[in-house]
Amino acid sequence: KNQVEQSPQSLIILEGKNCTLQCNYTVSPFSNLRWYKQDTGRGPVSLTIMTFSENTKSNGRYTATLDADTKQSSLHITASQLSDSASYICVVSGNNDMRFGAGTRLTVKP
Amino acid sequence: GAVVSQHPSRVICKSGTSVKIECRSLDFQATTMFWYRQFPKKSLMLMATSNEGSKATYEQGVEKDKFLINHASLTLSTLTVTSAHPEDSSFYICSAEGHLSYEQYFGPGTRLTVT
Repeated sequence: KNQVEQSPQSLIILEGKNCTLQCNYTVSPFSNLRWYKQDTGRGPVSLTIMTFSENTKSNGRYTATLDADTKQSSLHITASQLSDSASYICVVSGNNDMRFGAGTRLTVKP
Repeated sequence: GAVVSQHPSRVICKSGTSVKIECRSLDFQATTMFWYRQFPKKSLMLMATSNEGSKATYEQGVEKDKFLINHASLTLSTLTVTSAHPEDSSFYICSAEGHLSYEQYFGPGTRLTVT
């Protein structure tokens, strides 16, 4: 069983709408959690990185939250744009390893 | 932000030949680099971790004699797919970890097609 579970698997929204992606993890001990955006055929690009003591971090229209007690994180996208269409990957690091979620494929339609 | 490049971006080779993929950290020194492969609509799968000047550490199930990794300097790691087969066709991505940061910077990926 994957130690990082993302939901939904895929999501379609209209341009301008907000959306929230979820990431639940069981990785322990916990070091940090990162959200990446990956365009099709490209490498992932970092959006946010949060350590144990951080509850929220923003990067423009992207806001990530972290609840280390419940081992849950979310990525909220505000006022979506067509260019937000991509896969969003949650990566959780422990002591010496990283665990990748399967990603959420977001499609923003005009 | 830090930049990681990969070369080539796309390569087509015949079955049985070897292919080398380069990963470079352009504006920082990377003590550790990682190699991943990714199948369509799937997440990244870590293949190996390479540290400059030492042997790579391979994930379970990854053949070290087939996927040769060389991390000869703090800015360059190479992945050589030896005796490539069609099932090796995939998207290969590297990432680099900075000495002073735990951020990982990913390369743009290399699309390998073995015919």
